[in-house]
Amino acid sequence: SQWGEENLQALSIQEGEDVTMNCSYKTYTTVVQWYRQKSGKGPALIILIRSNEREKRSGRLRATLDTSSQSSSLSITGTLATDTAVYFCARNMGYKLTFGTGTSLLVDP
Amino acid sequence: VTLLEQNPRWRLVPRGQAVNLRCILKNSQYPWMSWYQQDLQKQLQWLFTLRSPGDKEVKSLPGADYLATRVTDTELRLQVANMSQGRTLYCTCSADGGGNNYAEQFFGPGTRLTVL
Repeated sequence: SQWGEENLQALSIQEGEDVTMNCSYKTYTTVVQWYRQKSGKGPALIILIRSNEREKRSGRLRATLDTSSQSSSLSITGTLATDTAVYFCARNMGYKLTFGTGTSLLVDP
Repeated sequence: VTLLEQNPRWRLVPRGQAVNLRCILKNSQYPWMSWYQQDLQKQLQWLFTLRSPGDKEVKSLPGADYLATRVTDTELRLQVANMSQGRTLYCTCSADGGGNNYAEQFFGPGTRLTVL
C-alpha cells in the first residue's frame, strides 16, 4: 500500500483483469483524492471520496474510504492497456496536496 | 482545454547553474497556483502556493533550492538553483485555496530538469 516511507509499488497484470490498490495514512482525513499519471504527463484527478461516502464509483473505477482504519482503496474492473499509469492517493489540506508513494500499474494487452 | 502552459518543457542544467521556469494560467477561474516537484522515484511533493501578484517564497530541499514568484494573476515563476539531482516541476491551479479539502488541483505538463 501507499504512503509513509514505502517505495513506489509496481503491479503487472493482463488486460481484462481486475486490480485493487491500497493507501493508508497516519493523519485523520475526511477526503481522499486519487490521481492518475500517464507517462510523460502531469497527474490528473480520477476520483474523489469523502468520509460520509464509504464507497464511490465512476465508470470502471471504485474507491473506498475507511476512516476507522485510516485507509482507502482504488479498484479498476476490466482493465485496459490504456489504464497503464502510476496511481497516487492524496490528501488535500486546503491548497496543499500530500501524495502517497504511488502504485505503478502495467496492463499488458 | 489546457489550463496551464509551462516552459521550457525540459532543460539540461549544468551543475551549479540556476534555471528559470514559467507557468501561464489560461483560465482565471482557477487562481490558486502552486508548484510541485516530482523526484526520480516518482514521489510528488508540494513546494509552494502563491495567490497574489508580488507574492514570493523560498525553500531549500534535498537536492535543490527554490524561489517562487507570483508575477501577475496569470504568471507564476520558479527559479531552481543548486540542483544536484534531476526532477520534474509541475505547476498546478485550483479554484479554491483555503479550507476546501475537495478542491481539485489541475496539473500542467511539467518541466523536466536533468543535471549535467
